[in-house]
Amino acid sequence: GAGVSQSPSNKVTEKGKDVELRCDPISGHTALYWYRQSLGQGLEFLIYFQGNSAPDKSGLPSDRFSAERTGGSVSTLTIQRTQQEDSAVYLCASSSNGLVYEQYFGPGTRLTVT
Amino acid sequence: GIQVEQSPPDLILQEGANSTLRCNFSDSVNNLQWFHQNPWGQLINLFYIPSGTKQNGRLSATTVATERYSLLYISSSQTTDSGVYFCAVPVGYALNFGKGTSLLVTP
Repeated sequence: GAGVSQSPSNKVTEKGKDVELRCDPISGHTALYWYRQSLGQGLEFLIYFQGNSAPDKSGLPSDRFSAERTGGSVSTLTIQRTQQEDSAVYLCASSSNGLVYEQYFGPGTRLTVT
Repeated sequence: GIQVEQSPPDLILQEGANSTLRCNFSDSVNNLQWFHQNPWGQLINLFYIPSGTKQNGRLSATTVATERYSLLYISSSQTTDSGVYFCAVPVGYALNFGKGTSLLVTP
């Protein structure tokens, strides 16, 4: 597609449930990133994928968070046993290479945990 | 990690006015991006500017890497310029974002 797409755009879930967020990067982009934007916390890096290399998970806030990228394209961010503090906008970005190239962001998924 | 500070935190302009937003960073960088987050939350790339000056319409940006700052100029502001402006620098493979400048342009 023309840009990074994410689904769903909005997700409301009950505390304790698991959620899956999806990201479709720009075609041909080898690098994919997940960020989280919380009120008062700004934009935080979560995880980075580059091609078939092992992901950089250094930003994941707890072991309830995991992500995978299948076939070097689509990525899924999974949050298990959601907590209210997980409420945030989850943004996905992609770039044509990992290190010094321009990152392009998707529209985000707004997650609300009640 | 590299600290990114943006100023001012908030700015209100009347339509037609010019403004300068500043981004200071604590260490040398080989990449810097400016983004506009519109009221709907979409992060839009404005400039990829590790050094030098670039212009795109009413917007321009200058990065002086040796002095560790970047400036974003908005000329003849319009109400559609409202939103939050972020600068971001790389930390490893990720981008480290400043806290942003929240801009409101009034008619």
